[in-house]
Amino acid sequence: QQQVKQSPQSLIVQKGGISIINCAYENTAFDYFPWYQQFPGKGPALLIAIRPDVSEKKEGRFTISFNKSAKQFSLHIMDSQPGDSATYFCAAQGGTGRRALTFGSGTRLQVQP
Amino acid sequence: KAGVTQTPRYLIKTRGQQVTLSCSPISGHRSVSWYQQTPGQGLQFLFEYFSETQRNKGNFPGRFSGRQFSNSRSEMNVSTLELGDSALYLCASSLLQSPGELFFGEGSRLTVL
Repeated sequence: QQQVKQSPQSLIVQKGGISIINCAYENTAFDYFPWYQQFPGKGPALLIAIRPDVSEKKEGRFTISFNKSAKQFSLHIMDSQPGDSATYFCAAQGGTGRRALTFGSGTRLQVQP
Repeated sequence: KAGVTQTPRYLIKTRGQQVTLSCSPISGHRSVSWYQQTPGQGLQFLFEYFSETQRNKGNFPGRFSGRQFSNSRSEMNVSTLELGDSALYLCASSLLQSPGELFFGEGSRLTVL
């Protein structure tokens, strides 16, 4: 019940296109859903996050869409750029005593110029 | 403001040995968490410390341990190393009130031969 399932495993998008990464969870106690971006040789960095009381959050070219009833959330990267090429992880956190993040398996995004 | 610093960045050990990894959190961050990252298992939570006490622990054997000092710096130790312990060990710090907003270091890459 602690799993977070992420898809696709890898994604190739043309420059200027939209990248979409999906995640699904089972534990309804989760109440914080961040996305992390990781470049090779670096640690993950927080990109954007959402709580279940809103259905969408936008920060620049990055948008999280959240569907509480379906227990799904997704990351949309608009106008994708080669510099966005990285691995993206969704995560979930929350519930009694649950401070730790549960991460999805990651999506390797490649944006072709 | 300096980021999370982890040392050493790379190390090679042989089976049966033990290893100690060090982490200096961002100034003002009192919570330190450790995660293991492998290609097969992804990012998995090891443990979290704040106020020099282990607060949460992931599903790892007792060979994995850690501690936190009064200045919030943390160390983790792995004893009796196994080949499967080869991984990138990531330290992350956060404010106590924002456990999901993690700031990761670049990691310590451990290779067990």
